[in-house]
Amino acid sequence: AQSVTQLGSHVSVSEGALVLLRCNYSSSVPPYLFWYVQYPNQGLQLLLKYTSAATLVKGINGFEAEFKKSETSFHLTKPSAHMSDAAEYFCAVSSNTGNQFYFGTGTSLTVIP
Amino acid sequence: ETGVTQTPRHLVMGMTNKKSLKCEQHLGHNAMYWYKQSAKKPLELMFVYNFKEQTENNSVPSRFSPECPNSSHLFLHLHTLQPEDSALYLCASSQDAQGFGTEAFFGQGTRLTVV
Repeated sequence: AQSVTQLGSHVSVSEGALVLLRCNYSSSVPPYLFWYVQYPNQGLQLLLKYTSAATLVKGINGFEAEFKKSETSFHLTKPSAHMSDAAEYFCAVSSNTGNQFYFGTGTSLTVIP
Repeated sequence: ETGVTQTPRHLVMGMTNKKSLKCEQHLGHNAMYWYKQSAKKPLELMFVYNFKEQTENNSVPSRFSPECPNSSHLFLHLHTLQPEDSALYLCASSQDAQGFGTEAFFGQGTRLTVV
């Protein structure tokens, strides 16, 4: 079975500061991992995905994430936060049996001017 | 128009009403999904359709009835809902439900309020 845990339901950073959103996964098979962003009253938009190629994955809007098998982690980072980054972020996992995406509970990011 | 489109964006209905949510995707995908997003809870997968066939029903109450007439359209028929069914209902699609590492594309959701 697959699952993800997002540590910290709320994260606040100052504008220009490093963004770090944490995600740990549980999977009995090699996972496929995703980060999505959701703005208020909108659907989810894909930021980036890991599909067993490079362990450091670059996404849109300056975000990147590193797959660490030893730590079962896939944390999302951005070197410098922008006001427009304020949103809800979801980590998700699927497996090579496909069929389902398992989402975390989400992390709400606030950017302080 | 591209992507995944959901209508209506907002819906208020009484507990005795019957309504339907519509989802349409223009991505050529073969799998479509309904998710329920409630405050403070993880996204809940409700139904999965792959090549028009329902492959997952995650113990969803029968007052929610999905319909997938073709790979591009997905409906969620609602009847005799309860106030706790109020939520954001998200539709998604992916290349197919067995696709390895293919991502899901989401619509903007329907905000449902049951009064």
